[in-house]
Amino acid sequence: AQTVTQSQPEMSVQEAETVTLSCTYDTSESDYYLFWYKQPPSRQMILVIRQEAYKQQNATENRFSVNFQKAAKSFSLKISDSQLGDAAMYFCAYRRGNTGTASKLTFGTGTRLQVTL
Amino acid sequence: EPEVTQTPSHQVTQMGQEVILRCVPISNHLYFYWYRQILGQKVEFLVSFYNNEISEKSEIFDDQFSVERPDGSNFTLKIRSTKLEDSAMYFCASTRQGYEQYFGPGTRLTVT
Repeated sequence: AQTVTQSQPEMSVQEAETVTLSCTYDTSESDYYLFWYKQPPSRQMILVIRQEAYKQQNATENRFSVNFQKAAKSFSLKISDSQLGDAAMYFCAYRRGNTGTASKLTFGTGTRLQVTL
Repeated sequence: EPEVTQTPSHQVTQMGQEVILRCVPISNHLYFYWYRQILGQKVEFLVSFYNNEISEKSEIFDDQFSVERPDGSNFTLKIRSTKLEDSAMYFCASTRQGYEQYFGPGTRLTVT
């Protein structure tokens, strides 16, 4: 069974600074996808970024980027120029298999990010 | 931009009662999911649904749970006889190609 581990229950960053959230996963699959979801106090789950395992290039979405280390099974999220609106719970998630299937997401336990002035 | 919607936003029910949580997935999506999140815990998979049948279900999804797509737009989760431990946030999600899943805003279920 696949597992996702987020070892940082809480992190804090000052506004405009950079922070990195860690995630490791365990799988025997070769084809999979990884995601970061943001959950603000409203508890809505918002997709932040995705990474296809077959791509060597790290995904980037504006101020959000990932460091995907396939051999180490590590998938960290870097938030640059942190803003107050980035304060939220961040969940790392894993999905096995190809597109065209109904594979579930397996989530980590989350990291609560605080952004301070 | 299309989004997944869920109703109600908050449901309070007594133990032993039946509840139906409703979701309207994004219109051209083909795969549908229910997840739940007990307060302060991680998001857990309940069930996936494709082509009018269950694709996968978790251990949580026992005989008390059922899902249905009664028409071309709604996707429902029914809990037949609620227990205190069913109190949680329930999220519906959908995807077109089984790729990135888009989540609804959730239904907070409180069982008293």
